[in-house]
Amino acid sequence: EVQLVESGGGLVQPGGSLRLSCAASGFTFSSYPMHWVRQAPGKGLEYVSAISGDGSTTYYANFVKGRFTISRDNSKDTLYLQMGSLTDEDMAVYYCTREYGPGSNDYWGQGTLVTVSS
Amino acid sequence: DVVMTQSPLSLPVTLGQPASISCRSSQSLVFSDGNIYLNWFQQRPGQSPRRLIYKVSNRDSGVPNRFSGSGAGTDFTLKISRVEAEDVGVYYCMQGTLWPWTFGQGTKVEIK
Repeated sequence: EVQLVESGGGLVQPGGSLRLSCAASGFTFSSYPMHWVRQAPGKGLEYVSAISGDGSTTYYANFVKGRFTISRDNSKDTLYLQMGSLTDEDMAVYYCTREYGPGSNDYWGQGTLVTVSS
Repeated sequence: DVVMTQSPLSLPVTLGQPASISCRSSQSLVFSDGNIYLNWFQQRPGQSPRRLIYKVSNRDSGVPNRFSGSGAGTDFTLKISRVEAEDVGVYYCMQGTLWPWTFGQGTKVEIK
């Protein structure tokens, strides 16, 4: 059974940093590109970043503006999102999702909440 | 970025009646391989998104056949033939043809 379990969310001050993790199981992790998608409270879904299966290629939404870094450790079946210079606009539930396609995501984690507040 | 525009944004439906959600993209979603990477997701209250449809009209395993997707070019539709109580939630179209992949604003389906 495919499982994606996010962790690392929490309360952070404006301007602060946080690293999110996503532990994958039930599939050959290195064979799949992975994505981070976020959802602000009461709002819609928004793509944040993506990474190829071998980690050599990454994509970022424009609003990331060099503040976030996506990475993966295929030996640990884990996806990461290092976030910096956080603002209240980054406050959201962050979901880890598996790309199965191209052009689509099939499995999603339960999400981890990032709260930005002083 | 490709803008995905859904309508309506709110859809009250009577149980057992059909429902239809429209999604329009700001540019063609035909990929270089000839495929159209248009997906539909359902998000029930308090849950993560769940994919229902991929490549316009392909239903995911386990998705009831009352859900169907159609469309071409820049206009796409999700139809529910007979709405059931478990269909309450927000539905999103999403394009995976051009990065950044983008979602529609969401359509909230509720029971009248």
